[in-house]
Amino acid sequence: KAGVTQTPRYLIKTRGQQVTLSCSPISGHRSVSWYQQTPGQGLQFLFEYFSETQRNKGNFPGRFSGRQFSNSRSEMNVSTLELGDSALYLCASRAGTDQPQHFGDGTRLSIL
Amino acid sequence: GQNIDQPTEMTATEGAIVQINCTYQTSGFNGLFWYQQHAGEAPTFLSYNVLDGLEEKGRFSSFLSRSKGYSYLLLKELQMKDSASYLCAVSFNSGGYQKVTFGTGTKLQVIP
Repeated sequence: KAGVTQTPRYLIKTRGQQVTLSCSPISGHRSVSWYQQTPGQGLQFLFEYFSETQRNKGNFPGRFSGRQFSNSRSEMNVSTLELGDSALYLCASRAGTDQPQHFGDGTRLSIL
Repeated sequence: GQNIDQPTEMTATEGAIVQINCTYQTSGFNGLFWYQQHAGEAPTFLSYNVLDGLEEKGRFSSFLSRSKGYSYLLLKELQMKDSASYLCAVSFNSGGYQKVTFGTGTKLQVIP
């Protein structure tokens, strides 16, 4: 069974640009969550999607948005990039409530 | 809100036993996850405790006390490959949905 797949693995952007990250969950998992990980802040929750609907949202500005498609694949978009957006962005899927999350290898985003 | 505390760093000797503590304050508590994250890699699931008590899984054990808001991860017969960050994460109900909040992680260094 294939794991969670995130693309791209690495990305370099400049301030003001926008970026779209992609996540394909484990087959059969309908819940997809996104996290931002930085050395000082740890794993910060961005949002969770379930059956194409945003179910939970963290405390991030509106520049961060996402969506989920009918095949459960999810995308995350960040507009007007800032230097502070440099981080590892992790996607995780799970089979159901109170089931463990399975993480992808992440996308490392660097803003110059 | 949710508040999760765990030590930032710990050092232990190969072959020894180490206990990583996690305390939390949250309403609507469901259970507590432990994840392991090696540097540059995705977090991987270790354990999930819902009921009070100790659950053993090979060299790793996890304990939960719901009344005290306290959990620990016990690693026995430490190996060099156990050097990693260990994240505790609280599962709780909020707004009709189940959510997960991560602690900032404990970086464990195993020395010869």
